[in-house]
Amino acid sequence: DAKTTQPPSMDCAEGRAANLPCNHSTISGNEYVYWYRQIHSQGPQYIIHGLKNNETNEMASLIITEDRKSSTLILPHATLRDTAVYYCIVRGLNRDDKIIFGKGTRLHILP
Amino acid sequence: DAGVTQSPTHLIKTRGQHVTLRCSPISGHKSVSWYQQVLGQGPQFIFQYYEKEERGRGNFPDRFSARQFPNYSSELNVNALLLGDSALYLCASSLTSGLAGGPSQYFGPGTRLTVL
Repeated sequence: DAKTTQPPSMDCAEGRAANLPCNHSTISGNEYVYWYRQIHSQGPQYIIHGLKNNETNEMASLIITEDRKSSTLILPHATLRDTAVYYCIVRGLNRDDKIIFGKGTRLHILP
Repeated sequence: DAGVTQSPTHLIKTRGQHVTLRCSPISGHKSVSWYQQVLGQGPQFIFQYYEKEERGRGNFPDRFSARQFPNYSSELNVNALLLGDSALYLCASSLTSGLAGGPSQYFGPGTRLTVL
């Protein structure tokens, strides 16, 4: 089972910041938080990941709470092309590459 | 650079048939993973191969098998197809295996399999 909890859907106005929450209250010390998104009928796309510090790249920012039990993915200026299902995933040091996807959050960007 | 490629894009089969799906990883990537995504659900892990050896297996029946070739490309085989095997089959590649916190996996566009 997925180790994360996300709202099933969210709306955001175009041009505004989209803030997608994720709860991972059972995360352990060596586990990272990853975010992927899946635009309709395409393969999942890696967005960002972090361990305990906040991270930023050209796509998004990741804010992880101090206790690491939750995080927020921020898309600073949402566009219609950001409409997708967003998956929050917890991964630790494993022998394999298995990613356990939950149901994610379906983000609708409204014009 | 070319990303992960999969073939065919779409496929229609009937119950009881078998199918072979193909995946070419990003150049230099040695790990290939396969996922099944049923409509409305997140992808489910089927297999991972690294350096031609199986590294991980998900909760799928023995009808599902895979292999990795010396050039790191991979095939997923499904025998005795059932209606429930209808899904998007995704392939992902990565440089290494199991390296949490490191470079992530890159997914291909998938093969849409319909079983009638």
